[in-house]
Amino acid sequence: AQKITQTQPGMFVQEKEAVTLDCTYDTSDPSYGLFWYKQPSSGEMIFLIYQGSYDQQNATEGRYSLNFQKARKSANLVISASQLGDSAMYFCAMREGRETSGSRLTFGEGTQLTVNP
Amino acid sequence: EPEVTQTPSHQVTQMGQEVILRCVPISNHLYFYWYRQILGQKVEFLVSFYNNEISEKSEIFDDQFSVERPDGSNFTLKIRSTKLEDSAMYFCASSVSRTNYGYTFGSGTRLTVV
Repeated sequence: AQKITQTQPGMFVQEKEAVTLDCTYDTSDPSYGLFWYKQPSSGEMIFLIYQGSYDQQNATEGRYSLNFQKARKSANLVISASQLGDSAMYFCAMREGRETSGSRLTFGEGTQLTVNP
Repeated sequence: EPEVTQTPSHQVTQMGQEVILRCVPISNHLYFYWYRQILGQKVEFLVSFYNNEISEKSEIFDDQFSVERPDGSNFTLKIRSTKLEDSAMYFCASSVSRTNYGYTFGSGTRLTVV
């Protein structure tokens, strides 16, 4: 079974609108972390936002917020006020185990976001 | 902001040749990793390194791969005899310091085997 599932291969959004990128995960470990990365066409992996399994509040970083629904095992990324520069591939990833354990990240297939002017 | 540095950014090599990809992790991080991304596919874990030894490796990380931290700052990935299917973007990452648990990726080395 896939540990990270991103069901949207491609998404389109109008500039200045909000968009939600879906991510569901599967783990039996009570301690885990969820990450979102942006990969522009140049190829680098840019960290966007992190949510720990024990965090009480949903994570926010500027225009990025994470809609964390633990019972549903979903960690959707919300980008508000989309900009043309947001056009990129977005990856959801999960680390299983404690934050201090140095565990591997497991990535989803990614969602290609295109922001239209 | 501290960053993970990878060199070179692009490398072209002949099939069968050895390549060494280099990385300088964030200095106070404790864990170091290599990941691979074949063009158009998702990012895959190769290996993690802690306390001067491999702590975990994936099934992709076979005998043709090795990692080393030769001098306390560099972290290298060696591919002994490259194959066409080794063509990919290789990312180095580091994580976990005493003050934060950030997982930071380098900008990648694009390896092309011809």
